[in-house]
Amino acid sequence: QLQLQESGPGLVKPSETLSLTCTVSGDSISSTSYYWGWIRQPPGKGLEWIGSIFYSGSAYYNPSLRGRVTISVDTSKNQFSLNLNSVTAADTAVFYCARHYCNSPTCHFDYWGQGTLVTVSS
Amino acid sequence: QSVLTQPPSASGTPGQRVTISCSGSSSNIGSDYVCWYQRLPGTAPKLLIYSNNQRPSGVPDRFSGSKSGTSASLAISGLRSEDEAHYYCAAWDDSLSSFLFGGGTELTVL
Repeated sequence: QLQLQESGPGLVKPSETLSLTCTVSGDSISSTSYYWGWIRQPPGKGLEWIGSIFYSGSAYYNPSLRGRVTISVDTSKNQFSLNLNSVTAADTAVFYCARHYCNSPTCHFDYWGQGTLVTVSS
Repeated sequence: QSVLTQPPSASGTPGQRVTISCSGSSSNIGSDYVCWYQRLPGTAPKLLIYSNNQRPSGVPDRFSGSKSGTSASLAISGLRSEDEAHYYCAAWDDSLSSFLFGGGTELTVL
């Protein structure tokens, strides 16, 4: 059974970089059928796609976050990671990692991690 | 303001059929498939419907999806108390080159 688990600091200071890692078990992150993505949900708000990456390292990002976000992959550890820099309080959210199937015209996240709350505060 | 528009709330009584709408445009719902997610309190979102009307293994057939033009709908029949949750539609947007979620609909079972 595929499982994803987010890990990283739960508290980040304003202007610093938020870094999270997602560890995948039960499937190879090197699968040629799937991307691996990050989604966040600020308190009381809706879901927002952050970006997704293929095992080769090819990534695409939400244009609203481009310039602040980098997603990378480590196939040897079956992990992928998120870096979001210059964070503000508006970046406080529950962050989810998920497996992303996207083959036009269909696109969806089928397996999700449990989520991790990251608070931006001094 | 989300590009994919959902009603903020919906409600129904046990056993009833409810529908949740999702309105988009030609660059998202009009040209790509829609998926739907259920988020129960304190849990991660769960994929309910993909490719407009396909259910993943394990999702009851009480849940169904449809699409017409630039709008989509999620229908829940035989409503149960455990269906109380937030529901989100989503689709890829070709113009924005972005995966979009609707603002979410909070379903209350009265």
